Amino acid sequence: DADVTQTPRNRITKTGKRIMLECSQTKGHDRMYWYRQDPGLGLRLIYYSFDVKDINKGEISDGYSVSRQAQAKFSLSLESAIPNQTALYFCATSDAVNSYNEQFFGPGTRLTVL
Amino acid sequence: LAKTTQPISMDSYEGQEVNITCSHNNIATNDYITWYQQFPSQGPRFIIQGYKTKVTNEVASLFIPADRKSSTLSLPRVSLSDTAVYYCLVERYSGGGADGLTFGKGTHLIIQP
Repeated sequence: DADVTQTPRNRITKTGKRIMLECSQTKGHDRMYWYRQDPGLGLRLIYYSFDVKDINKGEISDGYSVSRQAQAKFSLSLESAIPNQTALYFCATSDAVNSYNEQFFGPGTRLTVL
Repeated sequence: LAKTTQPISMDSYEGQEVNITCSHNNIATNDYITWYQQFPSQGPRFIIQGYKTKVTNEVASLFIPADRKSSTLSLPRVSLSDTAVYYCLVERYSGGGADGLTFGKGTHLIIQP
């Protein structure tokens, strides 16, 4: 869905490097999420934000930090990347106003930490 | 939130109806049931959501019994393109939105010719 974009789409980095993954949305949604997906493990929530001033830890937040720069932008940072953070990362958005919480996902960022 | 359990994988054939069942024994009064579909290397896509009884849209039906401890996603006349992973979520609805944020491991549905 072009309404939710993620950059970069692919990234290879080395252990110990700092890396930032960016997510932008044009849907006007208040809520934004970061998930990671590992083979056979489904999607696990890292952080989520229900509005610009709200940041919440998810299931697996250790080793990650986030920044909600604006309603449309939500960035995920790995302060010191390690190999077990190699995964597919998805950003998602949803609209708190709707009667249900349909999440719209970006195309994903494939991150490899060597 | 209620934990969900669904089969790891299922097989079927083109033209058949496929039913995927999810159990959520600890579902609460304010919880809704939502299903997503995911193709390889893509983000999940919303399929359907329901609270009780039956919900139908253009792609699927969702059956929820009176006790709401399980739900069944029904895909009519599947095709090869329905091969995907299907996730069942239990979402809590409160105020202006819901707080369903945990995807399980999903059910890998494989459709054969």
